[in-house]
Amino acid sequence: GAVVSQHPSRVICKSGTSVKIECRSLDFQATTMFWYRQFPKQSLMLMATSNEGSKATYEQGVEKDKFLINHASLTLSTLTVTSAHPEDSSFYICSARDRGQGVDTIYFGEGSWLTVV
Amino acid sequence: KQEVTQIPAALSVPEGENLVLNCSFTDSAIYNLQWFRQDPGKGLTSLLLIQSSQREQTSGRLNASLDKSSGRSTLYIAASQPGDSATYLCAAYNYGQNFVFGPGTRLSVLP
Repeated sequence: GAVVSQHPSRVICKSGTSVKIECRSLDFQATTMFWYRQFPKQSLMLMATSNEGSKATYEQGVEKDKFLINHASLTLSTLTVTSAHPEDSSFYICSARDRGQGVDTIYFGEGSWLTVV
Repeated sequence: KQEVTQIPAALSVPEGENLVLNCSFTDSAIYNLQWFRQDPGKGLTSLLLIQSSQREQTSGRLNASLDKSSGRSTLYIAASQPGDSATYLCAAYNYGQNFVFGPGTRLSVLP
């Protein structure tokens, strides 16, 4: 079964509102989670690296005030798209790093489709 | 900085054909490489993960190979079926960093 759960899988919101996407690691503690975005017919691009208990590290060109990332616990990271606009409509996917028991494995969530109308 | 490319960008084949999808990466010091499938409007499905110490992985009709020295991986699909139609993504992972995805290959298998 899935070890990383992402919710919601699909969301439609009105322009100007904010929407939150959750990413949970189910069977392990994830000190690091990653958020990706995929534009239509393009590949997945890393938006930011989320570290538990500290500020996220954003990739160049990603507005940190628009895409708020919170990693308040070892099993949960959230991405909030603030003041959403139609151009924010995209596929967002998270991944979580499992470094327990000598492994280094990254698991991906199922992804979230955001449509801003 | 790791960069991943995939060839071809799109591929259309008749049902039953065997096919090969190619993935290249610039930094050969990868920890592992993973192949994913993405259906339109859906999320990612992990197909095969190859650790840096491995040369190939197999799952059913799928076989993925890894040649770190040349910076290449291939995904071989045997006896293709219409249900295999999807976008196939490869992603390279360097230890302690993050996955870097290729642009994908859009596969259409015609009945």
